[in-house]
Amino acid sequence: NAGVTQTPKFRVLKTGQSMTLLCAQDMNHEYMYWYRQDPGMGLRLIHYSVGEGTTAKGEVPDGYNVSRLKKQNFLLGLESAAPSQTSVYFCASSWGDRVQPQHFGDGTRLSIL
Amino acid sequence: AQSVTQLDSQVPVFEEAPVELRCNYSSSVSVYLFWYVQYPNQGLQLLLKYLSGSTLVKGINGFEAEFNKSQTSFHLRKPSVHISDTAEYFCAVIKPGTSGSRLTFGEGTQLTVNP
Repeated sequence: NAGVTQTPKFRVLKTGQSMTLLCAQDMNHEYMYWYRQDPGMGLRLIHYSVGEGTTAKGEVPDGYNVSRLKKQNFLLGLESAAPSQTSVYFCASSWGDRVQPQHFGDGTRLSIL
Repeated sequence: AQSVTQLDSQVPVFEEAPVELRCNYSSSVSVYLFWYVQYPNQGLQLLLKYLSGSTLVKGINGFEAEFNKSQTSFHLRKPSVHISDTAEYFCAVIKPGTSGSRLTFGEGTQLTVNP
């Protein structure tokens, strides 16, 4: 019972490089989310999806793109990485109801040099 | 828009002592409230939630929280903490009807339990 799995767990990039973070969930959840966590700022929502083929902007979407081609996967892309995107990224998923808890992955630590 | 403020960034306590982690929210309408816990190098886990009804909510690991509408607070308490409770705790809020079940998180409170 894997829950929410994030790949990779760690990554170091140079400024200007691109990469994709993968989130996979095996709970058949409709909703999926990408957050970034920075010291003293809690979690901030980057993008989210309310179902396969849909995406929407969150609080801090600039510099990121997402895709939800399959219900179980939610990809977060950085087209041209910047040092300001150094952070810990969390993926979460939930049933399509606001009162249901979000289930989180263990995070991806990303450093941009 | 709603916002969440966690009043203490760090709370050090001794083992078996009581603890209270404070959370205030601002919203012009009713909200749902949550507490999540994050252990080192892990994602967040739900501790408890308030949706409606009794203002005292009990969660996992002996934690409870009290919703106070007049003070717009949702403080988390535990009567006797253990070393294993050392973690970061996040208060979160969502307004009913918000598209996509999007939570707004507070800044987090690091609870450190010392022997």
